[in-house]
Amino acid sequence: ETGVTQTPRHLVMGMTNKKSLKCEQHLGHNAMYWYKQSAKKPLELMFVYSLEERVENNSVPSRFSPECPNSSHLFLHLHTLQPEDSALYLCASSQDAGVDGYTFGSGTRLTVV
Amino acid sequence: DQQVKQNSPSLSVQEGRISILNCDYTNSMFDYFLWYKKYPAEGPTFLISISSIKDKNEDGRFTVFLNKSAKHLSLHIVPSQPGDSAVYFCAGDRSGSARQLTFGSGTQLTVLP
Repeated sequence: ETGVTQTPRHLVMGMTNKKSLKCEQHLGHNAMYWYKQSAKKPLELMFVYSLEERVENNSVPSRFSPECPNSSHLFLHLHTLQPEDSALYLCASSQDAGVDGYTFGSGTRLTVV
Repeated sequence: DQQVKQNSPSLSVQEGRISILNCDYTNSMFDYFLWYKKYPAEGPTFLISISSIKDKNEDGRFTVFLNKSAKHLSLHIVPSQPGDSAVYFCAGDRSGSARQLTFGSGTQLTVLP
């Protein structure tokens, strides 16, 4: 496989459920990211991992918990979400050098019911 | 405070004509600016970028112009094709321990045949 792969593509979960989103990159990049895309809003940066260490947490609610076990894998653990958390969650990876920014995955469309 | 703004949520253009997508930013620390293109059910893909030390970058039908004094950039697509119909995101990039893109809210471009 190549590029950035996200699973699952679609997820419907209840507010009391616990689920995890998975992201895997095969590009040898050294940084990975979680972004949230809600309708008509900018992509919102949630978490940044560089060399497997969290660099920035943009005041994301604790019901979102990231995990980066190695440079190729990134998880987003979800628990007790709210309906307003329904959105497209995008994973991306990058290398510090280079002018093309990020490589994004196709996203996970999350619906909280 | 939204650091990157795309004030036009949508734009319709006739096939063969020029499409001009605009973006304004407030953060003077951005080193690079990038445009991404997003189709439904897919992640954004990199389109073209420009360094803050340049005022123009061209790649085939796509040209990005940067006006630093006005904190404004624009993407020109000419000639526009129906396959260009997508959401276009502008992003600013600043140096740091990990690349951290700040995105605008996107402009939906529709190219009419």
